[in-house]
Amino acid sequence: AQSVTQPDIHITVSEGASLELRCNYSYGATPYLFWYVQSPGQGLQLLLKYFSGDTLVQGIKGFEAEFKRSQSSFNLRKPSVHWSDAAEYFCAVGSSSGNTPLVFGKGTRLSVIA
Amino acid sequence: GAVVSQHPSRVICKSGTSVKIECRSLDFQATTMFWYRQFPKQSLMLMATSNEGSKATYEQGVEKDKFLINHASLTLSTLTVTSAHPEDSSFYICSAYNDEQYFGPGTRLTVT
Repeated sequence: AQSVTQPDIHITVSEGASLELRCNYSYGATPYLFWYVQSPGQGLQLLLKYFSGDTLVQGIKGFEAEFKRSQSSFNLRKPSVHWSDAAEYFCAVGSSSGNTPLVFGKGTRLSVIA
Repeated sequence: GAVVSQHPSRVICKSGTSVKIECRSLDFQATTMFWYRQFPKQSLMLMATSNEGSKATYEQGVEKDKFLINHASLTLSTLTVTSAHPEDSSFYICSAYNDEQYFGPGTRLTVT
């Protein structure tokens, strides 16, 4: 069965510190992997995605993620967090055929302190 | 990039009434759209797959007679919550596929 695990429910980091949000997936075929961010009461914004090729993916807002097939992971990183990064982050997996629904992790809430 | 809109963005209705939520692909055609539901502080859960010109496919545990989906054209899918109850209060998000999934901004439904 397809599943996504985000082991950290809530993470607090200091502004300017580095960030890593963990994501592990279980998928029977070649996965398409995504990270979305959601501010309170808002919709989803796509940060980055991995389909194939270079396993280190660059996204918007200074985020990057690395696909590690051997570990079934797709962790999200940012070298220096800004207060505006405080939000809910969702990892998701989908089929390489594309026209299938995404399976989402439970999300990680990021708090940023001064 | 492709844009998906939802209308309304927020709706409050009384218990027992019905409410319709629209999902439109603005600049592309989508034979398939997806409806997700997100309860407060929880993740998105797939409710159903909306197929243009045919019946929707519902996920286990989702009542098809309560959540009516109509995908009458290649750019519009509607979700009607019938006989709404307070427990139906949630954030409803649709998505459509056009080389990748594009999500709508969501509709906040509050049933009083």
